[in-house]
Amino acid sequence: DAGVIQSPRHEVTEMGQEVTLRCKPISGHDYLFWYRQTMMRGLELLIYFNNNVPIDDSGMPEDRFSAKMPNASFSTLKIQPSEPRDSAVYFCASSFGGSGNQPQHFGDGTRLSIL
Amino acid sequence: GNSVTQMEGPVTLSEEAFLTINCTYTATGYPSLFWYVQYPGEGLQLLLKATKADDKGSNKGFEATYRKETTSFHLEKGSVQVSDSAVYFCALSRNSGGYQKVTFGIGTKLQVIP
Repeated sequence: DAGVIQSPRHEVTEMGQEVTLRCKPISGHDYLFWYRQTMMRGLELLIYFNNNVPIDDSGMPEDRFSAKMPNASFSTLKIQPSEPRDSAVYFCASSFGGSGNQPQHFGDGTRLSIL
Repeated sequence: GNSVTQMEGPVTLSEEAFLTINCTYTATGYPSLFWYVQYPGEGLQLLLKATKADDKGSNKGFEATYRKETTSFHLEKGSVQVSDSAVYFCALSRNSGGYQKVTFGIGTKLQVIP
Protein backbone atom coordinates (compact mmCIF):
# COMPACT_ATOMS: atom_id res chain seq x y z
CA ASP A 1 0.00 0.00 0.00
CA ALA A 2 1.13 3.53 -0.69
CA GLY A 3 1.98 5.56 2.35
CA VAL A 4 1.11 9.18 3.06
CA ILE A 5 2.17 11.26 0.09
CA GLN A 6 3.20 14.88 0.46
CA SER A 7 4.11 17.40 -2.18
CA PRO A 8 6.27 19.22 -2.87
CA ARG A 9 9.25 17.71 -1.01
CA HIS A 10 11.05 21.03 -1.06
CA GLU A 11 9.77 24.56 -1.51
CA VAL A 12 11.81 27.74 -1.63
CA THR A 13 9.97 30.99 -2.06
CA GLU A 14 10.21 34.63 -1.23
CA MET A 15 8.60 36.33 1.71
CA GLY A 16 5.05 37.46 1.00
CA GLN A 17 4.27 34.70 -1.48
CA GLU A 18 1.47 32.20 -1.02
CA VAL A 19 2.56 28.65 -0.24
CA THR A 20 0.38 25.56 -0.64
CA LEU A 21 1.40 22.19 0.78
CA ARG A 22 -0.45 19.06 -0.26
CA CYS A 23 -1.14 15.72 1.37
CA LYS A 24 -2.74 12.47 0.29
CA PRO A 25 -3.51 10.25 3.30
CA ILE A 26 -3.57 6.47 3.32
CA SER A 27 -6.78 5.16 1.85
CA GLY A 28 -9.31 4.24 4.55
CA HIS A 29 -7.77 6.39 7.25
CA ASP A 30 -10.24 8.78 8.87
CA TYR A 31 -7.81 11.05 10.72
CA LEU A 32 -5.42 13.51 9.12
CA PHE A 33 -2.87 15.61 11.03
CA TRP A 34 -0.63 18.51 10.02
CA TYR A 35 2.59 19.08 12.00
CA ARG A 36 5.44 21.54 11.85
CA GLN A 37 8.96 20.63 12.94
CA THR A 38 11.75 23.07 13.76
CA MET A 39 14.94 22.84 15.77
CA MET A 40 13.71 25.47 18.20
CA ARG A 41 10.19 24.19 18.90
CA GLY A 42 10.38 20.53 17.93
CA LEU A 43 7.27 18.82 16.58
CA GLU A 44 4.09 20.93 16.83
CA LEU A 45 0.56 19.81 15.97
CA LEU A 46 -1.08 22.48 13.83
CA ILE A 47 -4.50 21.01 13.06
CA TYR A 48 -6.23 17.69 12.69
CA PHE A 49 -9.29 16.43 10.83
CA ASN A 50 -11.66 13.55 11.42
CA ASN A 51 -13.76 12.44 8.46
CA ASN A 52 -12.71 15.62 6.60
CA VAL A 53 -13.95 17.90 9.41
CA PRO A 54 -11.45 20.07 11.33
CA ILE A 55 -11.54 19.02 14.98
CA ASP A 56 -8.80 21.06 16.61
CA ASP A 57 -6.98 23.96 14.97
CA SER A 58 -5.66 25.48 18.19
CA GLY A 59 -2.09 24.87 17.01
CA MET A 60 -2.41 27.00 13.88
CA PRO A 61 -0.02 29.88 14.55
CA GLU A 62 -2.09 32.70 13.13
CA ASP A 63 -4.59 33.70 10.49
CA ARG A 64 -1.97 33.44 7.77
CA PHE A 65 -2.30 29.66 8.06
CA SER A 66 -5.31 27.77 6.77
CA ALA A 67 -6.01 24.09 6.13
CA LYS A 68 -8.70 22.32 4.17
CA MET A 69 -9.75 18.77 3.52
CA PRO A 70 -12.24 18.78 0.65
CA ASN A 71 -12.43 14.98 0.49
CA ALA A 72 -11.07 11.88 2.17
CA SER A 73 -8.05 11.64 -0.11
CA PHE A 74 -6.68 15.17 -0.15
CA SER A 75 -5.73 17.99 2.19
CA THR A 76 -3.92 21.30 1.81
CA LEU A 77 -2.10 23.59 4.19
CA LYS A 78 -1.82 27.15 2.93
CA ILE A 79 0.30 30.04 4.18
CA GLN A 80 -0.55 33.49 2.89
CA PRO A 81 1.47 35.67 3.10
CA SER A 82 4.53 33.64 3.99
CA GLU A 83 7.25 34.92 6.33
CA PRO A 84 10.84 33.76 6.99
CA ARG A 85 9.81 32.42 10.42
CA ASP A 86 7.52 29.93 8.68
CA SER A 87 10.59 28.07 7.43
CA ALA A 88 10.32 24.52 8.76
CA VAL A 89 9.57 20.96 7.78
CA TYR A 90 5.83 20.34 7.54
CA PHE A 91 4.54 16.82 8.01
CA CYS A 92 1.20 15.29 7.23
CA ALA A 93 0.13 12.11 9.03
CA SER A 94 -2.95 9.90 8.89
CA SER A 95 -4.42 7.21 11.12
CA PHE A 96 -7.49 5.06 11.55
CA GLY A 97 -10.00 5.07 14.34
CA GLY A 98 -10.71 7.17 17.42
CA SER A 99 -9.87 4.55 20.03
CA GLY A 100 -6.33 5.83 20.32
CA ASN A 101 -4.56 2.51 19.89
CA GLN A 102 -3.63 2.93 16.21
CA PRO A 103 -0.38 4.62 15.21
CA GLN A 104 -0.02 7.61 12.95
CA HIS A 105 1.58 7.17 9.54
CA PHE A 106 3.74 10.10 8.48
CA GLY A 107 4.69 11.38 5.07
CA ASP A 108 8.26 12.35 4.29
CA GLY A 109 7.49 16.03 4.82
CA THR A 110 7.83 19.27 2.90
CA ARG A 111 10.94 21.28 3.66
CA LEU A 112 9.87 24.92 3.34
CA SER A 113 12.32 27.80 3.10
CA ILE A 114 11.04 31.37 3.03
CA LEU A 115 13.67 33.87 1.92
CA GLY B 1 -3.94 17.44 30.40
CA ASN B 2 -1.81 14.81 28.76
CA SER B 3 1.96 15.14 28.64
CA VAL B 4 5.01 13.11 27.71
CA THR B 5 8.44 13.72 29.18
CA GLN B 6 11.52 12.20 27.65
CA MET B 7 15.18 12.74 28.24
CA GLU B 8 16.83 15.45 26.24
CA GLY B 9 19.64 14.43 23.99
CA PRO B 10 21.80 14.07 22.31
CA VAL B 11 22.75 10.63 23.52
CA THR B 12 26.08 9.42 22.16
CA LEU B 13 26.98 5.73 22.44
CA SER B 14 29.59 3.45 21.03
CA GLU B 15 28.48 0.62 18.78
CA GLU B 16 27.25 -2.45 20.73
CA ALA B 17 26.51 -0.39 23.86
CA PHE B 18 23.26 -0.75 25.80
CA LEU B 19 20.63 1.90 25.16
CA THR B 20 17.99 3.30 27.47
CA ILE B 21 15.86 6.32 26.61
CA ASN B 22 13.53 7.28 29.43
CA CYS B 23 9.91 8.26 28.87
CA THR B 24 7.28 9.10 31.45
CA TYR B 25 3.76 10.27 30.85
CA THR B 26 0.80 11.97 32.46
CA ALA B 27 -2.68 11.08 31.27
CA THR B 28 -6.12 10.27 32.54
CA GLY B 29 -7.60 6.94 31.72
CA TYR B 30 -5.71 4.27 29.82
CA PRO B 31 -3.67 5.65 26.95
CA SER B 32 -1.82 3.66 24.32
CA LEU B 33 1.92 4.30 24.22
CA PHE B 34 4.22 4.47 21.21
CA TRP B 35 7.82 4.93 20.22
CA TYR B 36 8.49 6.50 16.84
CA VAL B 37 11.83 6.84 15.07
CA GLN B 38 12.85 9.57 12.64
CA TYR B 39 15.84 9.04 10.36
CA PRO B 40 17.46 12.08 8.73
CA GLY B 41 15.35 13.58 5.98
CA GLU B 42 12.37 11.33 6.66
CA GLY B 43 9.09 11.42 8.54
CA LEU B 44 8.43 9.67 11.80
CA GLN B 45 7.72 5.97 11.62
CA LEU B 46 6.31 3.63 14.20
CA LEU B 47 8.95 1.63 16.04
CA LEU B 48 6.77 -0.16 18.61
CA LYS B 49 3.64 0.24 20.68
CA ALA B 50 1.82 -1.05 23.75
CA THR B 51 -1.87 -0.60 24.36
CA LYS B 52 -2.35 -1.72 27.95
CA ALA B 53 -0.51 -2.02 31.23
CA ASP B 54 2.32 -4.59 31.37
CA ASP B 55 2.33 -5.00 27.59
CA LYS B 56 5.76 -5.14 26.02
CA GLY B 57 6.26 -3.72 22.55
CA SER B 58 9.25 -4.89 20.55
CA ASN B 59 10.72 -4.40 17.10
CA LYS B 60 14.20 -4.51 15.50
CA GLY B 61 15.80 -5.38 18.86
CA PHE B 62 14.13 -2.47 20.66
CA GLU B 63 11.78 -3.08 23.59
CA ALA B 64 9.59 -1.01 25.88
CA THR B 65 7.21 -2.09 28.64
CA TYR B 66 4.06 -0.19 29.61
CA ARG B 67 4.44 0.43 33.36
CA LYS B 68 1.29 1.96 34.75
CA GLU B 69 2.56 2.04 38.33
CA THR B 70 5.47 4.28 37.35
CA THR B 71 3.73 5.85 34.32
CA SER B 72 6.74 4.99 32.20
CA PHE B 73 7.55 3.48 28.80
CA HIS B 74 11.34 3.40 28.61
CA LEU B 75 12.97 2.35 25.34
CA GLU B 76 15.81 -0.19 25.50
CA LYS B 77 18.12 -2.01 23.14
CA GLY B 78 20.83 -4.40 24.16
CA SER B 79 23.37 -3.59 21.46
CA VAL B 80 23.06 -0.50 19.30
CA GLN B 81 24.36 -0.17 15.77
CA VAL B 82 25.49 2.85 13.78
CA SER B 83 22.31 2.46 11.72
CA ASP B 84 20.23 3.16 14.86
CA SER B 85 21.37 6.78 14.81
CA ALA B 86 18.14 8.76 14.62
CA VAL B 87 15.70 10.81 16.70
CA TYR B 88 13.34 8.81 18.92
CA PHE B 89 9.93 10.14 19.98
CA CYS B 90 7.76 8.81 22.79
CA ALA B 91 4.03 9.40 22.35
CA LEU B 92 0.71 8.64 23.96
CA SER B 93 -2.70 8.40 22.37
CA ARG B 94 -6.11 8.16 23.86
CA ASN B 95 -9.74 8.78 23.07
CA SER B 96 -10.88 12.16 24.30
CA GLY B 97 -14.41 13.36 23.72
CA GLY B 98 -14.86 10.75 21.02
CA TYR B 99 -11.74 11.72 19.13
CA GLN B 100 -8.18 10.46 18.99
CA LYS B 101 -5.83 12.73 20.92
CA VAL B 102 -2.06 12.27 20.47
CA THR B 103 0.74 13.84 22.49
CA PHE B 104 4.41 13.59 21.48
CA GLY B 105 7.55 14.04 23.55
CA ILE B 106 10.30 16.39 22.42
CA GLY B 107 12.39 13.68 20.82
CA THR B 108 15.79 12.29 21.82
CA LYS B 109 18.60 12.29 19.31
CA LEU B 110 20.77 9.18 19.39
CA GLN B 111 24.20 9.11 17.79
CA VAL B 112 26.04 5.80 17.62
CA ILE B 113 29.73 5.96 16.83
CA PRO B 114 31.74 3.05 15.42
